[in-house]
Amino acid sequence: GENVEQHPSTLSVQEGDSAVIKCTYSDSASNYFPWYKQELGKRPQLIIDIRSNVGEKKDQRIAVTLNKTAKHFSLHITETQPEDSAVYFCAARSGAGSYQLTFGKGTKLSVIP
Amino acid sequence: EAGVTQSPTHLIKTRGQQATLRCSPISGHTSVYWYQQALGLGLQFLLWYDEGEERNRGNFPPRFSGRQFPNYSSELNVNALELEDSALYLCASSGPYEQYFGPGTRLTVT
Repeated sequence: GENVEQHPSTLSVQEGDSAVIKCTYSDSASNYFPWYKQELGKRPQLIIDIRSNVGEKKDQRIAVTLNKTAKHFSLHITETQPEDSAVYFCAARSGAGSYQLTFGKGTKLSVIP
Repeated sequence: EAGVTQSPTHLIKTRGQQATLRCSPISGHTSVYWYQQALGLGLQFLLWYDEGEERNRGNFPPRFSGRQFPNYSSELNVNALELEDSALYLCASSGPYEQYFGPGTRLTVT
């Protein structure tokens, strides 16, 4: 089955700096890669996603890049703000008719004011 | 559009008892997923239901079970509760791509 590895497990940045979280996946048939943000005590929220036919997607201060050859994808947050502090999870959905997501273990991002 | 809903919000049980957790998916979604999130940890996949059938289960013992009803809502049953079952149980529903989470049920086993 699919295996997703996420790095780093913790990340501290100064407010205004950029943050990058990286994930690798094992199944070359995976075709959908979402990112979730989970604030303390709340549900994971879908913040951005990318499909395998696209290399990059942006939404204001966040962007996701996908390298299918290397089987890795990354989340980029620019101009970080204290409210970006949360745990971020990447996920991959294997192809072959399965909608199930395999999640990485999460990255705790702390933005220091 | 209503999101994924779960009930109850909190559930306190004694070791050895049974717990039943409920989930209603987003209208139009036929797939429901259950995850366990122990304090400070990641999302552990429990079960996936689609069109009333169990499609896959994670690495959990058989005392974790569930079902999906004709209206696509779902329930998760945990029998013979153990202390380590204390966690946040999240339900999610999806269409072809996006998967959305409910607010979760916090299960405490004493």
